[in-house]
Amino acid sequence: EAQVTQNPRYLITVTGKKLTVTCSQNMNHEYMSWYRQDPGLGLRQIYYSMNVEVTDKGDVPEGYKVSRKEKRNFPLILESPSPNQTSLYFCASSWGLAGQQFFGPGTRLTVL
Amino acid sequence: DAKTTQPPSMDCAEGRAANLPCNHSTISGNEYVYWYRQIHSQGPQYIIHGLKNNETNEMASLIITEDRKSSTLILPHATLRDTAVYYCIVGPASYDKVIFGPGTSLSVIP
Repeated sequence: EAQVTQNPRYLITVTGKKLTVTCSQNMNHEYMSWYRQDPGLGLRQIYYSMNVEVTDKGDVPEGYKVSRKEKRNFPLILESPSPNQTSLYFCASSWGLAGQQFFGPGTRLTVL
Repeated sequence: DAKTTQPPSMDCAEGRAANLPCNHSTISGNEYVYWYRQIHSQGPQYIIHGLKNNETNEMASLIITEDRKSSTLILPHATLRDTAVYYCIVGPASYDKVIFGPGTSLSVIP
């Protein structure tokens, strides 16, 4: 089954404790992206990647890192999480057109 | 900022057609119009996209005006399960940044 998977689905952590949210797709898509969704602010793109070793900033990259060492994986790294990074995070992938994306189920992160 | 504007909310009677409008007056020649929907806090689901011509698939129809400055997503026979937030976005023809607006919250009423 074609899908985008994210882990963990739920995470509660404390300020400053480094964490990684994994994202994997099995569709051989070149384009992958991370979004965060907050009430009243909608979906905002954090980072995106056009292919292996090629990444670029979205609208809200501060406080996040990404890497794209393999085509199928695109982890989101929070080196020192803060409470304002409490949010619902989505990973997405696409092929051909960046706008036609398949989204993962989401990761709900709470930073205390 | 988002390149699209949509009404914040709409209601539709079950079984009737839902027509969701979107304005994208600054769309450039090589940009596509995409529609997504999001049910509760699930991952957004791609519905349909188009460049110039009207498009139809098993989920919906997309009508794009001749000047491409606006479009309408049509759900021909809305059901309760179509209650969701619908996003219209203008996207690049290649790999680039994607910007979502606040979308339209559609409520399908029995």
